[in-house]
Amino acid sequence: AAGVIQSPRHLIKEKRETATLKCYPIPRHDTVYWYQQGPGQDPQFLISFYEKMQSDKGSIPDRFSAQQFSDYHSELNMSSLELGDSALYFCASSFPTGGNTEAFFGQGTRLTVV
Amino acid sequence: AQSVAQPEDQVNVAEGNPLTVKCTYSVSGNPYLFWYVQYPNRGLQFLLKYITGDNLVKGSYGFEAEFNKSQTSFHLKKPSALVSDSALYFCAVRDIQSYGQNFVFGPGTRLSVLP
Repeated sequence: AAGVIQSPRHLIKEKRETATLKCYPIPRHDTVYWYQQGPGQDPQFLISFYEKMQSDKGSIPDRFSAQQFSDYHSELNMSSLELGDSALYFCASSFPTGGNTEAFFGQGTRLTVV
Repeated sequence: AQSVAQPEDQVNVAEGNPLTVKCTYSVSGNPYLFWYVQYPNRGLQFLLKYITGDNLVKGSYGFEAEFNKSQTSFHLKKPSALVSDSALYFCAVRDIQSYGQNFVFGPGTRLSVLP
């Protein structure tokens, strides 16, 4: 079965550079979530989209932005990267239907800022 | 705000023994509870969920979880642990009060199954 696809799997950037992470949700899933997981930490919610519109915002820095495109894929854009941005970034997709559906997570993008 | 707590950072169990990974929740309204497992450098894999109905929920890989409303708990269990069950386990609640209904995760419990 198709899963959530994230690219790239690994990314190394220097401080103050920009990065773009891509997410392709499971077909027919209309909700996409982005999470950040620091070393030894639980995933922290960044932002979500429902039907290509931003639906919720969590602890996403102003230096980050995201969008969902007409084909439902999503991109997380990160600018002025800092060392503290080094983390595993997950995308997940689900149906939103009243909260009783699970989210399916991608393999994640490991971002290292040097 | 919706939240979950996992009181144990680490759980060690011998292979073949039963295992329990604890989770307690704090929610407004009906809880939508989930368990996920994470293997090293991998994404989170869905194990099981409680939405409504029977308090004992069965999931993937022989795992089950017991919902206890009076104790606000949703402990993950398995009758006989395998070494391959060693991983990081996250309890989560879906924040249905938020427009995006995002998932709020607990801090995680590292399970080590010893041969």
